Amino acid sequence: QVQLQQWGTGLLKPSETLSLTCAVYGGSFSAYSWSWIRQPPGKGLEWIGEINHSGSTSYNPSLKSRVTISVDTSKNQFSLKVTSVIAADTAIYYCARERAWYEDYWGPGTLVTVSS
Amino acid sequence: QSVLTQPPSVSGAPGQRVTISCTGSSSNIGTGYDVHWYQQLPGTAPKLLIYANNNRPSGVPDRFSGSKSGTSASLAISGLQADDEADYYCQSSDSTLSGSRVFGGGTKLTVL
Repeated sequence: QVQLQQWGTGLLKPSETLSLTCAVYGGSFSAYSWSWIRQPPGKGLEWIGEINHSGSTSYNPSLKSRVTISVDTSKNQFSLKVTSVIAADTAIYYCARERAWYEDYWGPGTLVTVSS
Repeated sequence: QSVLTQPPSVSGAPGQRVTISCTGSSSNIGTGYDVHWYQQLPGTAPKLLIYANNNRPSGVPDRFSGSKSGTSASLAISGLQADDEADYYCQSSDSTLSGSRVFGGGTKLTVL
């Protein structure tokens, strides 16, 4: 059974850098790509981007200039950084396993709040 | 404004059948990208419900079914149960966004 566990800073001030990490347990880490998706409170889902085991990435064009996704295959982990955060970046951030352009396993989510 | 359009809400009585539409365009659903559906119960992460238009992951009841035609897709739920009350999201990809995945705005299903 595949399980994703995520952690990171929950409260940020505007202009700071958001940093989250997701650890994968079970299954084959190298056989899949890994995604980040976010959901502002009370709103819908937004795909942020993805990375495969070799480090190849794909990002949502609307966030690309501020987002970096990286991978550490030795630890079966992948990470998200979003620079220069603003209030609109306040959201629940989910990590997930990508399979053929859909996400089949999701982490529990981490609430990140941006407030001065 | 989401790239994929869903009705904000639908409702139905227990035992009834409801459908949720997902309308796209020629740059996403209409160009051949698959449509996937997720169920999000209150306070939880989304759960994959339907993948590649009409396929159910193991463990998803056959009361849930998906279809796709032209620039639209639909999720049908038959034999409504109280615990089907949730938010439902469609997902596809879009060629104008370099193949990025896009979601619908979500539909709140209320079981009366």
